[in-house]
Amino acid sequence: EAGVVQSPRYKIIEKKQPVAFWCNPISGHNTLYWYLQNLGQGPELLIRYENEEAVDDSQLPKDRFSAERLKGVDSTLKIQPAELGDSAVYLCASSLGGSGYNEQFFGPGTRLTVL
Amino acid sequence: AQSVTQLDSQVPVFEEAPVELRCNYSSSVSVYLFWYVQYPNQGLQLLLKYLSGSTLVKGINGFEAEFNKSQTSFHLRKPSVHISDTAEYFCAVSEIGYGNKLVFGAGTILRVKS
Repeated sequence: EAGVVQSPRYKIIEKKQPVAFWCNPISGHNTLYWYLQNLGQGPELLIRYENEEAVDDSQLPKDRFSAERLKGVDSTLKIQPAELGDSAVYLCASSLGGSGYNEQFFGPGTRLTVL
Repeated sequence: AQSVTQLDSQVPVFEEAPVELRCNYSSSVSVYLFWYVQYPNQGLQLLLKYLSGSTLVKGINGFEAEFNKSQTSFHLRKPSVHISDTAEYFCAVSEIGYGNKLVFGAGTILRVKS
C-alpha cells in the first residue's frame, strides 16, 4: 500500500516568490492535514480537510497561505509571497476519518528554504 | 486548549541500556495520547497510542508507554535500546470530541551510543 506522497521533497526560493506543495493521501482516506514543522519543534496543524471541505483552518495565515482539495483527494498548499520565516518542513498527513482515534499517516514532508 | 511538554530535548544513552522519554500534557477534557518517531529526512511514524482501557500500552520496536491520569503523563520506555533507535520522538495529544487535531510536543532526540 502506497503511503502519503508529497512533492517536491526540497524547494529553495527567493523571498517574495510564490511556492506550492502537493500532497496525495493514502487511497480511501477522507481526512487530510497540512502541518508546519519548524526546526527543533513539533508539527503544528495548519489546516484539516474532511473530503473537499476545510473544517479547521484557524491556524492558517490566510494573508499569504492558501490551500485547496478540489476533488477531495489530493491537495495543494500555496504560499504567496514567501517570507524568510516560512523556511520549515511542510508535512501532509491523512486518516480514514476525522475522529481522534483514527491514526494519522504522515508523508516525508517538503523542506522549504527561503533565501 | 491542550498542550504537551517533553521534558528532555536530548537523551544520550548507551546501546542495550534502558531509556525513558518523558511527556506531560495539559487538557481540560479527556484525551487520546500518541508517540511518534521521526527518522532523519522521513515523515512521522506512529509508535503507539492510548485510546482507552489498559494504561500500559505496547507499541512497535519494543517500546511501551504508561498513561498516568493523575500525573497527566505518558512516558515512553524501552528496556534495551539499539543504535537503530536513534531518532527524534514526539509525544502528541488529541482532545476527545474535538476532531482529530494532534498537538505535539517539541520532541526529544534519542542518541544511542555504542
